[in-house]
Amino acid sequence: ETGVTQSPTHLIKTRGQQVTLRCSSQSGHNTVSWYQQALGQGPQFIFQYYREEENGRGNFPPRFSGLQFPNYSSELNVNALELDDSALYLCASTNPQGAGELFFGEGSRLTVL
Amino acid sequence: SQQGEEDPQALSIQEGENATMNCSYKTSINNLQWYRQNSGRGLVHLILIRSNEREKHSGRLRVTLDTSKKSSSLLITASRAADTASYFCATPHTGTASKLTFGTGTRLQVTL
Repeated sequence: ETGVTQSPTHLIKTRGQQVTLRCSSQSGHNTVSWYQQALGQGPQFIFQYYREEENGRGNFPPRFSGLQFPNYSSELNVNALELDDSALYLCASTNPQGAGELFFGEGSRLTVL
Repeated sequence: SQQGEEDPQALSIQEGENATMNCSYKTSINNLQWYRQNSGRGLVHLILIRSNEREKHSGRLRVTLDTSKKSSSLLITASRAADTASYFCATPHTGTASKLTFGTGTRLQVTL
């Protein structure tokens, strides 16, 4: 149990639709990051949020966007879904007093048909 | 692109045996981390080794780091069926603390 919770756990969308995934970070963790993990691959960094601002982005197009709220919870939004967006989306929070370890949620599995 | 590459991609051993996984990376690092992932679930942080450390232990885990060879190894001693999972090494990106670059992972199967 990391204290990071994500919702929904599974969802199915069709190509072209939009999706919002949600994440509650562990108490006291003010940095939230999102990762995409395709089947059989390692997680790939999408972006990081700190103090409600995007603070670092990976190689993902602008249709991937996010928000962080004052309570440090976060959302990942993906517009104009494509088949290749099918993946496990992982949220992770970081302890500001730590050495950089990430605490992951269980993920949201998105299937795009 | 993946920074770390784990080797082997898959490993099958019997309970009680030791399991060794290797990781290579490309750029200079401040630390290297190992994570575990049970099938289709979230990742769990196992251990972090800093660039000025050569070896670190945590329970049945032993991690080594060779910065001259840009490689690390994870040893699980006296493995158990519950150790069955995928194991990933990850290195942080300078300037973005929670941007980790993960390898493709080693799938470990421990049989009774």
